[in-house]
Amino acid sequence: AQKITQTQPGMFVQEKEAVTLDCTYDTSDQSYGLFWYKQPSSGEMIFLIYQGSYDEQNATEGRYSLNFQKARKSANLVISASQLGDSAMYFCAMKKWTNFGNEKLTFGTGTRLTIIP
Amino acid sequence: NAGVTQTPKFQVLKTGQSMTLQCAQDMNHNSMYWYRQDPGMGLRLIYYSASEGTTDKGEVPNGYNVSRLNKREFSLRLESAAPSQTSVYFCASDRPNQPQHFGDGTRLSIL
Repeated sequence: AQKITQTQPGMFVQEKEAVTLDCTYDTSDQSYGLFWYKQPSSGEMIFLIYQGSYDEQNATEGRYSLNFQKARKSANLVISASQLGDSAMYFCAMKKWTNFGNEKLTFGTGTRLTIIP
Repeated sequence: NAGVTQTPKFQVLKTGQSMTLQCAQDMNHNSMYWYRQDPGMGLRLIYYSASEGTTDKGEVPNGYNVSRLNKREFSLRLESAAPSQTSVYFCASDRPNQPQHFGDGTRLSIL
């Protein structure tokens, strides 16, 4: 079984500062992927970034980076130079890697990020 | 690029009514999924499908049925709606070892 834990229910960050959203996970799978999704107040789920468990380099996508520490079982999201539009709920998720796919995502409970002007 | 399209976006039902939520993807993905999201929670899997004609139960399948009509379309049916099924429903699709992509969701209220 997989489990995702996000310990920060809410965060307030000053605009232009960097922010780290915490995510720890538990799994017995050897090969898996870790994902971050953004859910703004409009409700859609927007994919941000992902990291495979065997990837040696931390993933980056523009202002987003994923700080993956396999031994600690953590996959924190770092947003550099935060903007007002970053205010949203952020979900960490994971799924098993297989040759056939069809694996469900397991989600954490989310962190609500508010950017202060 | 449409990605994953869900209809309707909003729906209000009375207890006992039935309805079908529609989902279509144009990314040529084999796998498709239905999730529900309740306030203050992450998404929970209702049903999923590896290919046309195959479906499997997820964590919370009771009260729902699904149909994988073809590679593009995966529908979710509530046969007799109950207030406990008030939720936001998301459809998603993916390829093996790649991110899942989500539709915009259907906000369903059952009175």
